[in-house]
Amino acid sequence: GAGVSQSPSNKVTEKGKDVELRCDPISGHTALYWYRQSLGQGLEFLIYFQGNSAPDKSGLPSDRFSAERTGGSVSTLTIQRTQQEDSAVYLCASSRDGRYNSPLHFGNGTRLTVT
Amino acid sequence: EDKVVQSPLSLVVHEGDTVTLNCSYEVTNFRSLLWYKQEKKAPTFLFMLTSSGIEKKSGRLSSILDKKELFSILNITATQTGDSAVYLCAVVSTYNFNKFYFGSGTKLNVKP
Repeated sequence: GAGVSQSPSNKVTEKGKDVELRCDPISGHTALYWYRQSLGQGLEFLIYFQGNSAPDKSGLPSDRFSAERTGGSVSTLTIQRTQQEDSAVYLCASSRDGRYNSPLHFGNGTRLTVT
Repeated sequence: EDKVVQSPLSLVVHEGDTVTLNCSYEVTNFRSLLWYKQEKKAPTFLFMLTSSGIEKKSGRLSSILDKKELFSILNITATQTGDSAVYLCAVVSTYNFNKFYFGSGTKLNVKP
């Protein structure tokens, strides 16, 4: 596609429920990143996928968070048993090849509110 | 611990003013530094800097990197209300993977 697409744009869920956030990267981009942005904060790295390599999961804050990327394209971020502190904007980004000189292109994010 | 610090946290100016935003970093295996503009949703890419002393310029925006002193500045001249946004700095470190470390941003408000 023309840009990184994320869905849903907004999600309100009750504490304890599971949620799935979807990211469709730019066509042909091999690298995909998930970040979290809390109100007034910078971007917190969550997970990184590059081609067929094992993902870098070092930023996932707890084992309630998981992500997968099927077929090297679409990615899903799953948060199980959501907590109020999970409320944030979840941003997905892709880059052409994951190299240091390939800028990230961001989607519009999913605003998650846990009540 | 790798970190990226931006200053000031927020800034209010009037149209026509010139502003300088700062980004300092302490990152192992530095590869590049990027500036992004975030208005409402998706951060949009402005500049990427990899070499010291070479200014990148786009219209009224310019940026430069100092790899010895570990900082970068983003200048905006003749500011306009459309420049109001959060400006994010990110530093790329290559260890096992290419990680982009983001600062908390500078919120710029340009008043008419």
